[in-house]
Parts: sequence; structure tokens; C-alpha cells
Amino acid sequence: QSVLTQPPSVSAAPGQRVTISCSGSSSNIGNNYVSWFQQLPGTAPKLLIYENNKRPSGIPDRFSGSKSGTSATLGITGLQTGDEADYYCGTWDSSLSAGVFGGGTKLTVL
Amino acid sequence: QVQLVQSGSELKKPGASVKVSCKASGYTFSTYPINWVRQAPGQGLEWMGWINTKTGNPTYAQGFTGRFVFSLDTSVSTAYLQISSLKADDTAVYYCARLNGGVCCQFDPWGQGTLVTVSS
Repeated sequence: QSVLTQPPSVSAAPGQRVTISCSGSSSNIGNNYVSWFQQLPGTAPKLLIYENNKRPSGIPDRFSGSKSGTSATLGITGLQTGDEADYYCGTWDSSLSAGVFGGGTKLTVL
Repeated sequence: QVQLVQSGSELKKPGASVKVSCKASGYTFSTYPINWVRQAPGQGLEWMGWINTKTGNPTYAQGFTGRFVFSLDTSVSTAYLQISSLKADDTAVYYCARLNGGVCCQFDPWGQGTLVTVSS
């Protein structure tokens, strides 16, 4: 059971927009920065979003992040088949004094 | 370019030990902490803890104390994860990742992962 809650799967058609939610509490998302990671099949995770809404260099602006209260959201526009992957949110939990991840969301581009 | 390169896959018997390496290049090793993350087969990411690359001081997540040891060899810009008394449920891919800022979780880059398989 993950500390952060994500939907197990989402799907959308190529070119469409999808959002992935990440729900937590005041001890984690509510008071700490959220990061998002993309894990393509058989590869290591890759940082997509950090500090809630910032993109590392090289990450296209089709990927966006937001946070409100104890929830965060990853948005992906202009979906491509190459976006099919598992997506994870992560943050610090001040009560646990530990990094915590969501359980992951599998994105299918139909 | 900045990268972390991990050692290759390992097949170990229950009760044995394993040491996974994570070699950094393209930046000053002591500037950024190294975190370790486990991913069991078909499962999500699990934060194991981190090591301060300036002081060598490790911090372990709950569930990763006792049999897990983080260490460094700064002369070769390498971090290590050693797991002793291996059990079948230690079978997983272990990743190292550089922490770019704050306490968590601006992890970039990640190593390619090391698969540790524990089987008799």
C-alpha cells in the first residue's frame, strides 16, 4: 500500500490530453515539493517534473505539473504512442522522514 | 554528460551477499547526494535511503536497516549498496539516483538499474 495514491491506469487516444492524479496528505504533498517520473518499459525512471511544476531541460512542454493542497497532477498533451509508460509521483514525507512514491499509473495510448 | 553507471546483474543464493556499484561521471561527485530505490518485479518504486557524498553518512528508510549498507569510494566517484543475508524477496532491480536539490525527490539522473536475483 503506497503512501501516495495514483490511479492504476489511464488511457487516451493519440493527440489527446490526459491527466494523472497523485493524492497524499499534509505530511507529504501538502508541505513538500512533488516530482514526477516516466518509466518506459524495461528502462530506468526519468525525471519529468520537479518542484511541482518545473521541467528539466530536454523535457517537452507537453508535460506539465501542478499541485493543490494535498494532491498533485501530471498533465500530458498531444499524446504520442511513445508516451506509453508507467508514471510515478514522489515526494518527501515529513512524518515518516522518508521519500515516498505513488503506486504508479500505466498510461495506454489507444 | 552527467551519468550514473551501475554494475551488472547478479544471481545469488539465499544467505549470500551482494555489492552493487554506481559510478558517477560528468560532475563533482561530492556535490550531490546519492539515493537508492528498489523496484521488485512488476511492482512500483520504493525509496531505500540516501548517502551524503561529502561526509559518507548514510540514512536508511524503515525496512532497509540492518542488512543494507550504503558506502562510498570518493577516489573513483562510486557509491555502493551492499545487501547481506539475501532472501528471495530481495529479488528486485536496484537503482541509484542523484538528488539534485532539497530532501526529495528531484532524482536526475538515474543509473540504468541492477537486477539482483536471489534463488537457490
